[in-house]
Amino acid sequence: DIVMTQTPLSLSVTPGQPASISCKSSQSLLHSDGKTYLYWYLQKPGQSPQLLIYEVSSRFSGVPDRFSGSGSGTDFTLKISRVEAEDVGVYYCMQGIHLPPYTFGQGTKLEIK
Amino acid sequence: QITLKESGPTLVKPTQTLTLTCTFSGFSLSTSGVGVGWIRQPPGKALEWLALIYWDDDKRYSPSLKSRLTITKDTSKNQVVLTMTNMDPVDTATYYCAHIAAAGTGGWDYWGQGTLVTVSS
Repeated sequence: DIVMTQTPLSLSVTPGQPASISCKSSQSLLHSDGKTYLYWYLQKPGQSPQLLIYEVSSRFSGVPDRFSGSGSGTDFTLKISRVEAEDVGVYYCMQGIHLPPYTFGQGTKLEIK
Repeated sequence: QITLKESGPTLVKPTQTLTLTCTFSGFSLSTSGVGVGWIRQPPGKALEWLALIYWDDDKRYSPSLKSRLTITKDTSKNQVVLTMTNMDPVDTATYYCAHIAAAGTGGWDYWGQGTLVTVSS
């Protein structure tokens, strides 16, 4: 199975400040079709996970543009340009190329200072 | 508007078989490229993918749980059913069903609210 490793596991951010989460995969997520199947999810407290970013850098419908994804191969980053109170929760990366199984990172908990 | 909702028992005994139903709306599981899957989350822990069924009845399972899982669909009822045999307390988790579409994001883009299943005698 592909192992997804996120860092940090937790971070505390002042509103209005940026935040960054790293995700590394144990194998390249670049498919022969040219796409890279790396996804980012946010699970707000008491809620189901919600898709933020697909294929490394494409924002899902309705996701604010303060969220951005980047990276290639095995190294990926989710950035929040200016953290807001509603961004608290646990962020997960997920790979969707070496299947089965789909595998998720351990999660990164974001809290507001 | 795509919605999914899980239903099933909240409490099962060790060794019993769990049966969960995902009832969905806003899409058809007979549309090419569409799938429905199950993902679970033990309390306070990370997400774990379990199974997926595609529009053409192609099925995929987590290798570590494959011997215990069966996924089926009833397209006419807009339902997907997951069965997990030989339940153990370590299977205590919130179970989510979710939608996937190859022609869309390629990821799990719509999720149900989840259902908490506790395994205890």
